[in-house]
Parts: sequence; C-alpha cells; structure tokens
Amino acid sequence: KAGVTQTPRYLIKTRGQQVTLSCSPISGHRSVSWYQQTPGQGLQFLFEYFSETQRNKGNFPGRFSGRQFSNSRSEMNVSTLELGDSALYLCASSSVRSNEQFFGPGTRLTVL
Amino acid sequence: QKEVEQDPGPLSVPEGAIVSLNCTYSNSAFQYFMWYRQYSRKGPELLMYTYSSGNKEDGRFTAQVDKSSKYISLFIRDSQPSDSATYLCAMGIGSGGYQKVTFGIGTKLQVIP
Repeated sequence: KAGVTQTPRYLIKTRGQQVTLSCSPISGHRSVSWYQQTPGQGLQFLFEYFSETQRNKGNFPGRFSGRQFSNSRSEMNVSTLELGDSALYLCASSSVRSNEQFFGPGTRLTVL
Repeated sequence: QKEVEQDPGPLSVPEGAIVSLNCTYSNSAFQYFMWYRQYSRKGPELLMYTYSSGNKEDGRFTAQVDKSSKYISLFIRDSQPSDSATYLCAMGIGSGGYQKVTFGIGTKLQVIP
C-alpha cells in the first residue's frame, strides 16, 4: 500500500506571495490532517478534513486555509506569506476505523 | 502550561543501552497515545499506538501508559546507532473524521557506536 505523498517537497517563496501544498492520503483513508512543524514550537495542528468538510481547526490565522476533494486528496493554501511561515508542513491521514495517523514526508517551505 | 510536556534533550547514550523517553500531560480527556520516530528532514513514522494503561511491546520497543499519573514512556532496548532520531509523543481525542492529536516537542536521541 502506498504511503502518504506530499508535493512539492521543497518550496522557496518571498514574503507576500501565496503557496499551495498538496497531500494524497493512503488509499481508503478519508481523514487528512495538516500540521506545521518548527524547531521552537514542534508540531502544531492546522486543520483536519473528512469527506470534504473541515471538521477541526487549530489556532492559526485565516491566511491558512485548506480543502479536500472527493478522492480525499487535500490541499492547503497560505496567502500573504510571512517570514515566520517558514516550516515543514506535514499532512497525516487516518481511516475511520483507527485513530492512528500516518504522515507524509512533508513540504519544506522557506520564505525569504 | 502546555498540554503535553516532553524534554527536548538531546539525549546521548552508548550503543546497547536501554533508552527511556517520557512525556507528561495535563488533559485527562486524552484517549489514545502514540510514539513517533522522526529522522532528520523526514516525516514522523508511527512506532507505537496504545489506548489503555499498561505496557505494550513491539520488538525492542515498549510503550508504557499510566493514566492515573498522566505519564507515558517509551523504552528502547539494545539501542542501535540507527535509533538516532527525534522521538515524538502524541496524544489524541476522537477518531478519524473528528480527532485532535497533540504532540510533544520531541526528544532528540543520539546513540553513540
């Protein structure tokens, strides 16, 4: 079974730009969660999607948004990038039968 | 106070040592507990999952949960240099479709040959 995939793996953007990251969950998994990981804060929860609906949201500004498609693939978007948005963005998928979350390799975003 | 507290280390041990990694938590609503291993510049890899107090063993890894003390541990026996990584504890509420998982900051482990 293929694991969680994320694209792109690396991104370099400048302040004020916007970015879209993509996540394909494990086949059969309908829940996708997004996290931001930084050295100082660790893994911070952004939001969770299930069946194309956002079910849960963390404490991030409205510049961070996401969506999920009917095939469970998910995208997250960050608008008006700030230097502090530089981080590893991880997505994780889980099935309705289990609470275990399986992570992708992440997208490393650098904002200059 | 953070919901989940974990010592970031770093923790250095000689090869073959028993490693003990720990987390404490304050939210008694947490229902299940996980340990992840994360190598540099990689995504976290699920090592252990448990939802009850007590011990769970998988090879050289043992996860221990004490809900009364709000304390979880991961033990690694016969540690190897390949175990050098950051270990994240995670605790969750709910299930796929509506779940909230909170992570510790991670403990960086180095196993010295």
